[in-house]
Amino acid sequence: DAGVTQSPTHLIKTRGQHVTLRCSPISGHKSVSWYQQVLGQGPQFIFQYYEKEERGRGNFPDRFSARQFPNYSSELNVNALLLGDSALYLCASSFTLEGLRSYEQYFGPGTRLTVT
Amino acid sequence: GNSVTQMEGPVTLSEEAFLTINCTYTATGYPSLFWYVQYPGEGLQLLLKATKADDKGSNKGFEATYRKETTSFHLEKGSVQVSDSAVYFCALSAYNFNKFYFGSGTKLNVKP
Repeated sequence: DAGVTQSPTHLIKTRGQHVTLRCSPISGHKSVSWYQQVLGQGPQFIFQYYEKEERGRGNFPDRFSARQFPNYSSELNVNALLLGDSALYLCASSFTLEGLRSYEQYFGPGTRLTVT
Repeated sequence: GNSVTQMEGPVTLSEEAFLTINCTYTATGYPSLFWYVQYPGEGLQLLLKATKADDKGSNKGFEATYRKETTSFHLEKGSVQVSDSAVYFCALSAYNFNKFYFGSGTKLNVKP
């Protein structure tokens, strides 16, 4: 079975530009979460989407936005890029039943974003 | 609030040595606890999990027990191998959400 896939693998952008990162969850998974992992640190939660609705948001500025599509894939958008946005962006999917907890998240390989 | 604190690395061990990586947490309610492993250039892989107090998660020789009284979830392995060299992250999942809180990671180096 295919795992979580992300594209692109690597990306180099200039300050002030916009970037779109993409994620396809494991088949059957309806929840997608996005994380930012700065070098040498643990992942920081950015967003969670379930059934195309935002269900959680971390402490990130409004320059960060995301959406989930009917096929449960997701995009993360970052506007007005700053040098500090350079990081590994991880997508994770989980199978969440309404009203129940989902105990596991499965992570993709990430997109390495470098802002120069 | 919710947070995870884990021991700083790097931890350097010889092959077949005993491993302990400490992890403590702060959480509201009753979180689930996880250990993830990250190999160089890769994403995170779930290593083991525990969903309630006194549960023991285990996988590939690694173990961790959910200790509510000490708010801890320490990772242990009796005999490490060179292939275990990676960064290990302790994480918790807050009740009713899929939001995960990660520790800062502990790098493990195992020498032959």
